[in-house]
Amino acid sequence: SQQGEEDPQALSIQEGENATMNCSYKTSINNLQWYRQNSGRGLVHLILIRSNEREKHSGRLRVTLDTSKKSSSLLITASRAADTASYFCATDIYNQGGKLIFGQGTELSVKP
Amino acid sequence: DTEVTQTPKHLVMGMTNKKSLKCEQHMGHRAMYWYKQKAKKPPELMFVYSYEKLSINESVPSRFSPECPNSSLLNLHLHALQPEDSALYLCASSPLRWRESGETQYFGPGTRLLVL
Repeated sequence: SQQGEEDPQALSIQEGENATMNCSYKTSINNLQWYRQNSGRGLVHLILIRSNEREKHSGRLRVTLDTSKKSSSLLITASRAADTASYFCATDIYNQGGKLIFGQGTELSVKP
Repeated sequence: DTEVTQTPKHLVMGMTNKKSLKCEQHMGHRAMYWYKQKAKKPPELMFVYSYEKLSINESVPSRFSPECPNSSLLNLHLHALQPEDSALYLCASSPLRWRESGETQYFGPGTRLLVL
């Protein structure tokens, strides 16, 4: 069964605007990770937030985690055309030996 | 060296062919993974190797056969594939510091496979 659901499925914004993507999951997790994938290429790890953390920052990225609602959000501030990519959340489910389950992804398009 | 490399980048094969995908990392990671990704879908886990031993097989058909010859190398042997097996095959590795908790995974660029 799917662990991660993301919304929106697609997001189109102008350069300089902020982009927010949401991820929901179903079961207890050790951590939640966000990855970026440029068209047809490998995934790049962006940020990891552990289950006992509520918020984390990395450069223009801000991730929040609400374990009571089983949800997370990724905020990209001051977006650039180079941020155009697919973004996936991935949950490390408790007691699953480190297996990651990926959400369906959000396709972000940043127009110059 | 913080890179995971995969060869070949592209592969076209017939349903009766035998081919292999190769993945290599020199980061000292002790966990390696194979994923399958269809267009506009998330990666789906196929296999996990921990300390060169197969630890997870996600009920993958036997026409896919993984092999981990040493801690740096991971192969995926392909035989008698079907057209629906056409996809991007991604390899990843991670440090495996915590047995029970996933860590950051480092992905290769993938092999785009087309089965005719």
